[in-house]
Amino acid sequence: NAGVMQNPRHLVRRRGQEARLRCSPMKGHSHVYWYRQLPEEGLKFMVYLQKENIIDESGMPKERFSAEFPKEGPSILRIQQVVRGDSAAYFCASSLQGTYGYTFGSGTRLTVV
Amino acid sequence: AQTVTQSQPEMSVQEAETVTLSCTYDTSESNYYLFWYKQPPSRQMILVIRQEAYKQQNATENRFSVNFQKAAKSFSLKISDSQLGDTAMYFCATLSGNTPLVFGKGTRLSVIA
Repeated sequence: NAGVMQNPRHLVRRRGQEARLRCSPMKGHSHVYWYRQLPEEGLKFMVYLQKENIIDESGMPKERFSAEFPKEGPSILRIQQVVRGDSAAYFCASSLQGTYGYTFGSGTRLTVV
Repeated sequence: AQTVTQSQPEMSVQEAETVTLSCTYDTSESNYYLFWYKQPPSRQMILVIRQEAYKQQNATENRFSVNFQKAAKSFSLKISDSQLGDTAMYFCATLSGNTPLVFGKGTRLSVIA
């Protein structure tokens, strides 16, 4: 059981480029969550997805950010036209049933230069 | 909305001693769950312990135990026989069936040899 796999581990983008972060949930998990962590801060919820559906995107910025979890393949968090303020660690988590807690990936550290 | 407050930004403890990390929360849900997660320097988020709010018995997991005071909305973590590998950020979190995991800002714990 490989756990939650996120890639890349580190991503550097220039201002205005697109960032694409990938997350493969644990085998058998159908719930996927994305969180953002700024330096010295806790994790902030962004979006909750199940296969082909966005369940809760209340933490997602209204512009430039989007997420998907297709029927086949990993979940993708996409940030268009990145700005320096997007620099953060982005964590993906998955769960079989949310109330048992989430299993987190190792995160993607995005740096915008 | 659910909120989690960790009032101790940093703590330190001598190896083999006991330390308690504080957490208070606020929720309007009647059925919810509480968690402590550990984030070592590797950045991996690791589930330490889980408590179901409807259970009065405090959860324990080896050297880790909680003091759950439902009326006071308090959920502290006790680490016994502290080890150098316990050095990490510790995050308190809560979720209910309707809302995803909400984290506090964390407590940085240093175990000193």
